[in-house]
Amino acid sequence: DTGVSQDPRHKITKRGQNVTFRCDPISEHNRLYWYRQTLGQGPEFLTYFQNEAQLEKSRLLSDRFSAERPKGSFSTLEIQRTEQGDSAMYLCASSLAPAGAEAFFGQGTRLTVV
Amino acid sequence: AQSVTQLDSQVPVFEEAPVELRCNYSSSVSVYLFWYVQYPNQGLQLLLKYLSGSTLVKGINGFEAEFNKSQTSFHLRKPSVHISDTAEYFCAVSGKGSARQLTFGSGTQLTVLP
Repeated sequence: DTGVSQDPRHKITKRGQNVTFRCDPISEHNRLYWYRQTLGQGPEFLTYFQNEAQLEKSRLLSDRFSAERPKGSFSTLEIQRTEQGDSAMYLCASSLAPAGAEAFFGQGTRLTVV
Repeated sequence: AQSVTQLDSQVPVFEEAPVELRCNYSSSVSVYLFWYVQYPNQGLQLLLKYLSGSTLVKGINGFEAEFNKSQTSFHLRKPSVHISDTAEYFCAVSGKGSARQLTFGSGTQLTVLP
C-alpha cells in the first residue's frame, strides 16, 4: 500500500503528558498537511510543509504543538502537556505541488486525553 | 480567508432515490472546490473537484457537482443512491495562493435507507 500512513491509529494519554504522532506521506509528494477533526466537525487546518520547510501554521496551533518534517520525508506532530481539549482525530495529508492537486489523507490518529 | 457552509448535517434518503447535498462558500479570492467522502474508520477520499472550465464536474461513484459562481455554491448530486453511499460528505475549498490548504465544511451525513 503506497497511501498515506499514520501511526499510531489510537492514543490514550493522561492530561499533562506529551504525545507524538507520525505521518508517512506518499513518497513523491512534496507537500504535507496536518489537520485536526473533532466530533461533528470538518477537518481544520493546522500546518503544512513543502519538502522540509514548514511554511504556514494556523492560529489553532498553540505553543504546545510542534511539527517537523526532517529531510522532507515523514513528519511528526508533538503535543506537549496535553489538555482534554486536545482530544480529536489528527489527520495527515500529502499532495504534489501543482495548483488543485489532490490531497490524499491518512486514516488519522485518534487522541483521547483523560 | 474562506469559509464553507454545508446546510444539512444529516440527509436520510431511500435507496435508488436521487440526492443533493448542499454546499455554499465564501471567499475573498478565487478558489478551487472539492467534495470528499469519509467512510467509517477510513480516511477522506476525493469524490470530485472543480478547478476551472465546465461548471458541471463528474466524479467517482456516479456523483457530480455543479459550480455556481453567482450563488457561490457547489452542490453535490447523485441520481440514484445505493446503500454503500452511506457516509459523511465534506465540501472543501482552497485558495489559489501558495499554501492551498483546504477549508472544510462541517459535513453532511448521508444515510441511505433500504
